[in-house]
Amino acid sequence: DTGVSQDPRHKITKRGQNVTFRCDPISEHNRLYWYRQTLGQGPEFLTYFQNEAQLEKSRLLSDRFSAERPKGSFSTLEIQRTEQGDSAMYLCASSLGPGRSETQYFGPGTRLLVL
Amino acid sequence: EDKVVQSPLSLVVHEGDTVTLNCSYEVTNFRSLLWYKQEKKAPTFLFMLTSSGIEKKSGRLSSILDKKELFSILNITATQTGDSAVYLCAVLSNFGNEKLTFGTGTRLTIIP
Repeated sequence: DTGVSQDPRHKITKRGQNVTFRCDPISEHNRLYWYRQTLGQGPEFLTYFQNEAQLEKSRLLSDRFSAERPKGSFSTLEIQRTEQGDSAMYLCASSLGPGRSETQYFGPGTRLLVL
Repeated sequence: EDKVVQSPLSLVVHEGDTVTLNCSYEVTNFRSLLWYKQEKKAPTFLFMLTSSGIEKKSGRLSSILDKKELFSILNITATQTGDSAVYLCAVLSNFGNEKLTFGTGTRLTIIP
């Protein structure tokens, strides 16, 4: 197993365009998390899934953001009508879940630049 | 709102020195504290601490948690240039969600 993977690693887009990122968690990890990290800051929680169920969304996740995990495996994060303030590193993490292991392992991230 | 504060914000030392990084927190229903190392990519897991006073050790790195005073320290002995990174502290709360709340990190630079 190669760990959490994310695609693409970098994305440059123009303001107003839609973008979609993909995350493949470590196999058998039930929990999947999305975080956003801006320069000089620690990652900030956006949302998480237990299998295919989205259990919590941060107030940082505006209506332009949507995340899915349709089959309880990979997840996608879509940003509609991107704004320059969306420029950040988007990190995905996964864990086995409570009762097994709560340690979250991170993927390499998708760096988004909105022009 | 959960809060994690790390100090110092940055630290520059010579190779071979020992460093101590600090993390204090205010969290509702604390569950565990985690340390990560971040170079130019994703955070890499170092330690998870749940009990007070029990030191976790991995090579030259060690960490301990004080749940009474609400802080943790990360020690690195005999530092090497490969230790240069941002060290992130995060807290997992147990209040109906599973999110990690991160501090802003300590940027450690090791001078050869």
